[in-house]
Amino acid sequence: SQQGEEDPQALSIQEGENATMNCSYKTSINNLQWYRQNSGRGLVHLILIRSNEREKHSGRLRVTLDTSKKSSSLLITASRAADTASYFCATDVSDMRFGAGTRLTVKP
Amino acid sequence: DAGVIQSPRHEVTEMGQEVTLRCKPISGHNSLFWYRQTMMRGLELLIYFNNNVPIDDSGMPEDRFSAKMPNASFSTLKIQPSEPRDSAVYFCASSFNSGNTIYFGEGSWLTVV
Repeated sequence: SQQGEEDPQALSIQEGENATMNCSYKTSINNLQWYRQNSGRGLVHLILIRSNEREKHSGRLRVTLDTSKKSSSLLITASRAADTASYFCATDVSDMRFGAGTRLTVKP
Repeated sequence: DAGVIQSPRHEVTEMGQEVTLRCKPISGHNSLFWYRQTMMRGLELLIYFNNNVPIDDSGMPEDRFSAKMPNASFSTLKIQPSEPRDSAVYFCASSFNSGNTIYFGEGSWLTVV
């Protein structure tokens, strides 16, 4: 499968803590994207990181990419209850197929 | 821009009936994707089009499912005949070329009884 696989499947933290989730893939890529899905809604794009980038920031989000390990991580700092959602990664070579996602629960 | 527009938002139909889901992609986007999401199977890519041409339909579950894109601003996903196991949320998404950021619609919630 060329799609990204997210890990862990589920993550539960307290508000204010940081949340880290990971994505692994199998083939060479041009870019990797992270998306969020709130319950009952469509996926929303969070951030895109290109293969020649190692780290990218957007607000409280920090994404890293290690092409040698074929992996990426998404860090959400100072989490809020509103960050409760499922998070997915996808690569450009996967024809935008998604894995099972990481279900993040942030407890108030 | 209004985003990706899907209709209907909710549909309840009886087994055996034909179901047609509709999608209007974002203007200027040339790639369109249909996904199905269930608790059991997660988010599955059913088919995607590039410049109105189906590129990969390997995710279409069976012959009961068909998708068309007659022009750049409209696509349909049809299920005929529908079965209870088709109950799911069907998402349409679009992007400018495959591999770039994709934008999802709000989904069509289908229940087949």
